[in-house]
Amino acid sequence: NAGVMQNPRHLVRRRGQEARLRCSPMKGHSHVYWYRQLPEEGLKFMVYLQKENIIDESGMPKERFSAEFPKEGPSILRIQQVVRGDSAAYFCASSPPDRGEQYFGPGTRLTVT
Amino acid sequence: GENVEQHPSTLSVQEGDSAVIKCTYSDSASNYFPWYKQELGKRPQLIIDIRSNVGEKKDQRIAVTLNKTAKHFSLHITETQPEDSAVYFCAAPAQPLSGSARQLTFGSGTQLTVLP
Repeated sequence: NAGVMQNPRHLVRRRGQEARLRCSPMKGHSHVYWYRQLPEEGLKFMVYLQKENIIDESGMPKERFSAEFPKEGPSILRIQQVVRGDSAAYFCASSPPDRGEQYFGPGTRLTVT
Repeated sequence: GENVEQHPSTLSVQEGDSAVIKCTYSDSASNYFPWYKQELGKRPQLIIDIRSNVGEKKDQRIAVTLNKTAKHFSLHITETQPEDSAVYFCAAPAQPLSGSARQLTFGSGTQLTVLP
């Protein structure tokens, strides 16, 4: 059973470009969470999704950030018009529908130049 | 929403000694408390968790205790080894689990260094 997959592992974007981060949950997991981790800081919740539904996006900035988890394919976190402050590690986690334990992917390290 | 506080922020112990990390939470309805270990540049890894219907859980050298009255829970690592060196995060659900999952609120992390 493959773990949570994320790609790309590293992403470099210039200011103003778009960043797309992908996450494939563990098999059998229908819940996906995105967290952001700034250097030497903790994990901050961004958005919680189930298939075709955004359950809670209270941690995600209202502008430039969006997320989806389509019926087919990975979950995508999209950041438009990136700024230097978006540089961080973005982790995706997944959980089964009836239990709380979350398993993390390897993360995408976004660098905005 | 849930607020999780974690201390200490850094902890150094000699190899073979025990390490204890403590967290407090604010929502008395929270019922699930995981601990994650994160090595430098790696993903957070779930190492142990506890639900509110028990007071203690052990897995080899690690254990977690929960005091619901005081709203705090602790991670205990015995016989520490250099490979235990990492950042440890506690967490609690933003809303209590009730048959379905919820996002987690994380503590600020503890950098544990085990000195050989």
